[in-house]
Amino acid sequence: NAGVTQTPKFRVLKTGQSMTLLCAQDMNHEYMYWYRQDPGMGLRLIHYSVGEGTTAKGEVPDGYNVSRLKKQNFLLGLESAAPSQTSVYFCASRGLAGYSSYNEQFFGPGTRLTVL
Amino acid sequence: GQQLNQSPQSMFIQEGEDVSMNCTSSSIFNTWLWYKQDPGEGPVLLIALYKAGELTSNGRLTAQFGITRKDSFLNISASIPSDVGIYFCAGPGNTPLVFGKGTRLSVIA
Repeated sequence: NAGVTQTPKFRVLKTGQSMTLLCAQDMNHEYMYWYRQDPGMGLRLIHYSVGEGTTAKGEVPDGYNVSRLKKQNFLLGLESAAPSQTSVYFCASRGLAGYSSYNEQFFGPGTRLTVL
Repeated sequence: GQQLNQSPQSMFIQEGEDVSMNCTSSSIFNTWLWYKQDPGEGPVLLIALYKAGELTSNGRLTAQFGITRKDSFLNISASIPSDVGIYFCAGPGNTPLVFGKGTRLSVIA
C-alpha cells in the first residue's frame, strides 16, 4: 500500500515549456486535490476532483489544467510554464463521507518545480 | 470564502519546552484537523477533532476543538528536535479542506 505517490520529484523547466505532473493513489479514494505551497503562503488549492471524470477549480487555477480519467490518477498540466509557477506541488486524496476517516486527507511527497 | 488564521507564524523554542499554537476560523467548522509537515515532505495528519469541546491526545501532542466551533488549539509537551516542522490546521470547506498558513516550529537543542 503506497498511499499517494507523485512523479516526478523534481523538475526544471524553461519559460513556455509544458509538462504534466502525475498523482496516483491506491486507497480507492473518491476525492483528489492539487495544491501548491509557496513560502509564507501555506497550501493553496489549484484544482480538485470529486470523482472519476470530474474536475473543479480551486483557489488558484489559472495557468493549470487537470484531468481525472481514472479514479486512481489525477494529472496536473502546465501548458506554458511561467516563473510564477515555481513552487512545490502536492497531491492529496480523501475517502467518501461515511468512512471512519472522513475528511482525513492524505498527501503525497511533493514535486519541486522550478521555472527559469 | 472561509479563512483560517494560525498563530504564531513561527516559534523558536528550547528543547524540553512546551509549545502552544492556535487556529481561528471566520465561520463554524464541524471538523478540525492538525497536520505536520517535516522539511522536504508532504503534510501528515496528527490529530482529527470531530466534536466541540473535544480534547484529543496523540503522544505528547494534545489538540482541542473550541466550544465556539471557530477555533482549535494544539499543544506539544516537552519538545524534542524531531518536532521541527510546519504545523497546519485545517477544516472542511464546501468540499476541499481549508488550510491555515502554518506555524513553523524550530527547536534549539
